Amino acid sequence: DAKTTQPPSMDCAEGRAANLPCNHSTISGNEYVYWYRQIHSQGPQYIIHGLKNNETNEMASLIITEDRKSSTLILPHATLRDTAVYYCIVSSTGANSKLTFGKGITLSVRP
Amino acid sequence: DTAVSQTPKYLVTQMGNDKSIKCEQNLGHDTMYWYKQDSKKFLKIMFSYNNKELIINETVPNRFSPKSPDKAHLNLHINSLELGDSAVYFCASSPRGAGNTIYFGEGSWLTVV
Repeated sequence: DAKTTQPPSMDCAEGRAANLPCNHSTISGNEYVYWYRQIHSQGPQYIIHGLKNNETNEMASLIITEDRKSSTLILPHATLRDTAVYYCIVSSTGANSKLTFGKGITLSVRP
Repeated sequence: DTAVSQTPKYLVTQMGNDKSIKCEQNLGHDTMYWYKQDSKKFLKIMFSYNNKELIINETVPNRFSPKSPDKAHLNLHINSLELGDSAVYFCASSPRGAGNTIYFGEGSWLTVV
């Protein structure tokens, strides 16, 4: 599976949009971009995933560049409860595929 | 109505003991997993089972033995516990055809002393 690069940390003000970047320049054609987050002392939580089109759900939006070498997770109105480690993962979806978690990016939402 | 539940949540035990962590999911998913998160917070897959069949077995010491009595349960048994086994163990599940859309439990904190 392709590797991803994320900044170690970022912060944003409560109520503002949080834009979390991720680079995946070696992504293959059949690999999806997944985002998970882990709030302190909790299990990881699935957020969203996409192949090449932009995706939106009730939690976030995922913007994937046309060349698919990078993506941005957008939390439109960050709250204090969004403070967590966010993982960007690239993975295929075959039977033997697996999620390889990196260090992620620590998002701190400030009041 | 917890989706993926693990027991116990906390476990402190002595080196050399044998312990088990149980996991149950009520989501009707076909695939279940065990992940380990060490003290450096890296989260790594250990095993995955699809409908009781072992699919992924990462390089894990054979002291770790998963057991899936049915597709809703995946228990983790650990023999001869070592200090380095101290970690948080997460059980997870995913539905058929969902790729890597995985639902995690709340974790089991294992401390070996």
